Amino acid sequence: QLRLQESGPGLVKPSETLSLTCTVSGGSISVRYYYWGWIRQPPGKGLEWIGSIYYSGSTYIIPSIESRVTISVDTSKNLFSLRLRSVAATDTAVYYCARGAGPARDFDYWGRGALVTVSS
Amino acid sequence: QSVLTQPPSASGAPGQRVTISCSGSSSNIGRNTVHWYQQIPGTAPKLLIYTSSQRPSGVPDRFSGSKSGTSASLAISGLQSEDEAVYFCAAWDDRLNGAVFGGGTQLTVL
Repeated sequence: QLRLQESGPGLVKPSETLSLTCTVSGGSISVRYYYWGWIRQPPGKGLEWIGSIYYSGSTYIIPSIESRVTISVDTSKNLFSLRLRSVAATDTAVYYCARGAGPARDFDYWGRGALVTVSS
Repeated sequence: QSVLTQPPSASGAPGQRVTISCSGSSSNIGRNTVHWYQQIPGTAPKLLIYTSSQRPSGVPDRFSGSKSGTSASLAISGLQSEDEAVYFCAAWDDRLNGAVFGGGTQLTVL
């Protein structure tokens, strides 16, 4: 059974960088056709896709925050990561990692989510 | 403001049938398939319907999806109390070159 687990600091100061890692177990991250994505959900609000990455390193990132986002993959460790620079209170959210059946496809496996609060 | 538009709430009595709509545009639903997720408070979203009408293994056939033009619908028949959750639609948007979600519909089982 595929399992995804987010990890990283739960509190980040404004203007600093949010860093999260998603460790994949029960399957390889280097499987063809699957993309690995980050989705966030501010408290009490809806879902927002941030971006997705293929094991080769190619990425799709939401244009509105693309200048602040880096998504990377480490196939040797079977994990992928999110870095979001210059954070503000509006970046406070539960961050989910998920597996996508393709860049334009559904997310069929999700992590449990990690709450990241931006506050001084 | 979400790219895909859903009603904020829906309700129905146990055993009834409920439909949740998702409205988009030619750059998203009009060109790509729609996916539906169920989210129970405090948990991660769960894939309910993919490519507009397909159910993943384990999802009851009480759940069905359809798409027409720039709109999509999720139908839930034989409502059960366990169906009380928030439902999100999603699709790829060719203009934004990214995935977009609806704002979510809170389903209440009366």
